[in-house]
Amino acid sequence: EVQLVESGGGLVKPGASLKLSCVASGFTFSDYWMSWVRQTPGKTMEWIGDIKYDGSYTNYAPSLKNRFTISRDNAKSTLYLQMSNVRSEDTATYYCTRRLQPYWGQGVMVTVSS
Amino acid sequence: DIQMTQSPSFLSASVGDRVTINCKASQNINKYLNWYQQKLGEAPKRLIYNTNNLQTGIPSRFSGSGSGTDYTLTISSLQPEDFATYFCLQHNSFPNTFGAGTKLELK
Repeated sequence: EVQLVESGGGLVKPGASLKLSCVASGFTFSDYWMSWVRQTPGKTMEWIGDIKYDGSYTNYAPSLKNRFTISRDNAKSTLYLQMSNVRSEDTATYYCTRRLQPYWGQGVMVTVSS
Repeated sequence: DIQMTQSPSFLSASVGDRVTINCKASQNINKYLNWYQQKLGEAPKRLIYNTNNLQTGIPSRFSGSGSGTDYTLTISSLQPEDFATYFCLQHNSFPNTFGAGTKLELK
């Protein structure tokens, strides 16, 4: 069974950094592109970006490219999202997904507030 | 960026009704359009991929259609478990973009 489990969320102050993780199981992680998607408290969905199966290529939403970095460790079957200089508008539930496939994690909440 | 205009934002319907939800892209997305259902507190679930392909395990009362810039999700006969929020996603080009969502409520 495919499972994606996010962690690392919580309450952070504006300007801080935060790293989310997503541990994958039930499939060969290194065979698949992976994505991060977020959903605001108002339920707006936003695609954050993708990473190629070997980590050699990433693609980001232009508005987030300068502050967010996606990476992966295939040996650990883990996907990461490094968030820097966070803002209040980054408050959202963050999901990892197997790109364009019907597998999503349960989501992890990030709240940016002073 | 491709803008996805989803309508309606809210829809009240009864069990047994046929309902349609629409997404209009700001440019041709070549049928690279997925539909998702989301229930409160859960992750989105993919219903339809690439316009009209039903995800395995999804009931056949769900169907998708469209081409070019205009796409439709149809639920042929609403069941109690279908009351949820629905989103479209275009993946024709980067950045991938979502519709704003349609909340389907019981009338």
